[in-house]
Amino acid sequence: EPEVTQTPSHQVTQMGQEVILRCVPISNHLYFYWYRQILGQKVEFLVSFYNNEISEKSEIFDDQFSVERPDGSNFTLKIRSTKLEDSAMYFCASVGGSYEQYFGPGTRLTVT
Amino acid sequence: GQQVMQIPQYQHVQEGEDFTTYCNSSTTLSNIQWYKQRPGGHPVFLIQLVKSGEVKKQKRLTFQFGEAKKNSSLHITATQTTDVGTYFCAGHMKTSYDKVIFGPGTSLSVIP
Repeated sequence: EPEVTQTPSHQVTQMGQEVILRCVPISNHLYFYWYRQILGQKVEFLVSFYNNEISEKSEIFDDQFSVERPDGSNFTLKIRSTKLEDSAMYFCASVGGSYEQYFGPGTRLTVT
Repeated sequence: GQQVMQIPQYQHVQEGEDFTTYCNSSTTLSNIQWYKQRPGGHPVFLIQLVKSGEVKKQKRLTFQFGEAKKNSSLHITATQTTDVGTYFCAGHMKTSYDKVIFGPGTSLSVIP
């Protein structure tokens, strides 16, 4: 069964540094999401991406965040200048034909 | 702002007992999806409900979507230890379909 992969599984970075989180969605899918989940809390919508454009973004997704699909397969989330409160699990989701979302295993981001 | 609430936050049941989690949205939804997240894992898609009053069953799981498309429930009959995890509802907003709001989840523990 096709699955979504994410790298790295864990990223530790210092406050103010840039990080890039990578996702490889399911091939043939055109619609993707990024979410974050602070430990023990709910899944928070960050951004949806369709046809190589952002289709919707949340209030959390400010100018420090950006998304790209640089090569037609990878899907990246960049945080330009990380803050302590950016520490969370970041999930990528790839959307199937019936709008069901297939989540990747996540990247745990720790900002020190 | 748009909110999706879930109750209860936690539920501890004896194996074999039934379990229900309820989801309520502050606004009308286009559809609602349910996900299960095992401890340390990622959300896994269970089902999507689209029509007002819709009821769907998956083995011991029964899902309902309210007539006003603002609430939903998940009922598990005769829980098993494999049902342990957090159950999230997630709604696509009627006003902005690409934006998905997750509920805070109900964490289910099953005592063998």
